[in-house]
Amino acid sequence: GDSVTQMEGPVTLSEEAFLTINCTYTATGYPSLFWYVQYPGEGLQLLLKATKADDKGSNKGFEATYRKETTSFHLEKGSVQVSDSAVYFCALAANAGGTSYGKLTFGQGTILTVHP
Amino acid sequence: NAGVTQTPKFQVLKTGQSMTLQCAQDMNHNSMYWYRQDPGMGLRLIYYSASEGTTDKGEVPNGYNVSRLNKREFSLRLESAAPSQTSVYFCASRNPWGSSSYEQYFGPGTRLTVT
Repeated sequence: GDSVTQMEGPVTLSEEAFLTINCTYTATGYPSLFWYVQYPGEGLQLLLKATKADDKGSNKGFEATYRKETTSFHLEKGSVQVSDSAVYFCALAANAGGTSYGKLTFGQGTILTVHP
Repeated sequence: NAGVTQTPKFQVLKTGQSMTLQCAQDMNHNSMYWYRQDPGMGLRLIYYSASEGTTDKGEVPNGYNVSRLNKREFSLRLESAAPSQTSVYFCASRNPWGSSSYEQYFGPGTRLTVT
């Protein structure tokens, strides 16, 4: 079945440091890939997405590139801020559109803490 | 436009008690989902409803039942709560049509403790 593996956390960085959170996946066909973010006490929000190979998703300074050859979708940010402290989830949807149910398969989540 | 709302926010149950978690969305989405979130395990799908009038089991359905009351509302029921059901429960919805058909919108969650 489909699966998503994220780097183990927690990750602790100083403000303005470079961030990478690794994500690899196993799926049949051509899944869509996502990063969701969960701020303390809140539900998940979509951070960025990519729907086909070599697509780059970007939002709020975060980027991730859909690499089919390495089955990866690593999240990066050049300069993190304290406000980026949250839990980050990588996820895939094997059949995301139309009449399919659009099931999301999540990684285990990575806790990011950014200190001033 | 409130998005996805869930009630209650917090709940403590004793083993064997029952309760229903409520979820409603005002985005006219066809599909709705219930997940549980446990430390180190990400989110796991309990049940989903692809459209009004249909429900199906997800990855971890045992001990739960659901009702898709109408297009807006999707409830999750625990008939006889067990400590293993202590978790944070999230409801989500999705519009399976259009350019953002893959995106799920999440509620704020219900933190449930079973003692």
